[in-house]
Amino acid sequence: AQTVTQSQPEMSVQEAETVTLSCTYDTSENNYYLFWYKQPPSRQMILVIRQEAYKQQNATENRFSVNFQKAAKSFSLKISDSQLGDTAMYFCAFMKSQLSGGTYKYIFGTGTRLKVLA
Amino acid sequence: EADIYQTPRYLVIGTGKKITLECSQTMGHDKMYWYQQDPGMELHLIHYSYGVNSTEKGDLSSESTVSRIRTEHFPLTLESARPSHTSQYLCASRPNGIVSGELGANVLTFGAGSRLTVL
Repeated sequence: AQTVTQSQPEMSVQEAETVTLSCTYDTSENNYYLFWYKQPPSRQMILVIRQEAYKQQNATENRFSVNFQKAAKSFSLKISDSQLGDTAMYFCAFMKSQLSGGTYKYIFGTGTRLKVLA
Repeated sequence: EADIYQTPRYLVIGTGKKITLECSQTMGHDKMYWYQQDPGMELHLIHYSYGVNSTEKGDLSSESTVSRIRTEHFPLTLESARPSHTSQYLCASRPNGIVSGELGANVLTFGAGSRLTVL
């Protein structure tokens, strides 16, 4: 069974600084997808960034980038130039590729609460 | 702007009441999901659907039930609410495409959530 572990329940960072959120996962699959979702306080969960396991190049979206280490099963999120609006819960998620068969379920980590300080 | 809508956003009810949480999406997605999330905690899948007349129970046992009579509608019902049902319920859906690299493929779109309090 797949598992997703986020070992940092809470983190804080000064505005304009860089912070890295860690995520590790366990799977025997070779084809899968990894995601980071952001859930601001009392607001909707939205996608931050996603990575397809077959792609070696790390995904980037503006100030957000990942460090995907497939062999180590690690998928960390780096937020550069942190902004107050980045304050949120961040969830790492795993989904097996449908091409591998099985169900279309996501596995979420327990989340990291990030607070950006002014 | 969200294309998946949940109502009510907040609901406070007494024990024993029947409630239905509504979820509708306008994106034509076949796959829809219900998650239960306690404040600031992880998400637990309680129900999912691959299409009309298809529903399955998730990983977390729940006394709620769901139906999928129309593609765009995936309501969740509690026949007799109890304080232990107090939680936030998130509805989500995702595109039908399975081709790797397809824009938006496999990405969940979430509703704003329904926060239920049972007294």
